[in-house]
Amino acid sequence: GQQLNQSPQSMFIQEGEDVSMNCTSSSIFNTWLWYKQDPGEGPVLLIALYKAGELTSNGRLTAQFGITRKDSFLNISASIPSDVGIYFCAGHRSGGGADGLTFGKGTHLIIQP
Amino acid sequence: NAGVTQTPKFQVLKTGQSMTLQCAQDMNHNSMYWYRQDPGMGLRLIYYSASEGTTDKGEVPNGYNVSRLNKREFSLRLESAAPSQTSVYFCASALGLPGELFFGEGSRLTVL
Repeated sequence: GQQLNQSPQSMFIQEGEDVSMNCTSSSIFNTWLWYKQDPGEGPVLLIALYKAGELTSNGRLTAQFGITRKDSFLNISASIPSDVGIYFCAGHRSGGGADGLTFGKGTHLIIQP
Repeated sequence: NAGVTQTPKFQVLKTGQSMTLQCAQDMNHNSMYWYRQDPGMGLRLIYYSASEGTTDKGEVPNGYNVSRLNKREFSLRLESAAPSQTSVYFCASALGLPGELFFGEGSRLTVL
C-alpha cells in the first residue's frame, strides 16, 4: 500500500516554542489532512488542504499542501500545554483503493515543563 | 451532540473468545470505518462501508467481520480473538468530503 513518512516521530519542546512537522510520500495525493489525537481520545481533524501550494491557518496552526502534491507541513506557533498529543498527517487519493485514505504513523508532541 | 459512539470502551478477552464492537453515529453520514491503532503503526483501516448495505476490506481485514446494520450502525466482530488483536479500535464516519473523518473515542481491547 501507499506509505506516508511522517517526521519527526517525537518532539520534546518547551512551552512557547514553535513546532514544525512534515509528511512525505512517493505518491501524489489530491487532499492532505492533519489530525490531532489527545491522550485517551479519538483523532480530531485540524486542517484539510485541497489544492497544491495551498496554505491554510487555524488559529496558531498553519499547514501547507506541497507544490509537488507529495508532501505537507504543519506548524504550530507559541506552543501551549494543551498542544500535547499525537499529530497524524493523512493523504487522500480518489480511486486509491481502501477508500483512498492513508495515515502517517504520527508525531508525538511532548511539552516539557 | 453524541457524534460517533463506540461500545464497549474497554474489554478483556481470552484467546478464542468472540465479541462484537458496536458503533453508532447520529450525523446522518453515509460512510463508516473501523481502524485499529497500535504503537508505532499509526491508524490502519480494517473495514469500511461507503453506504448502507455495502462493506469493503481495508488494509488489515483478516480475523474480523463487519455488519452495516443500517445507516447509523456499523459493528466489528472478532469470531476467535487472538493476542495479535490486542489494540485500540476506532470507529469513524464521514459525510463525503475526501478524508474528513469523525472518530469515536475508541475501544481498548486486550486479548490474553
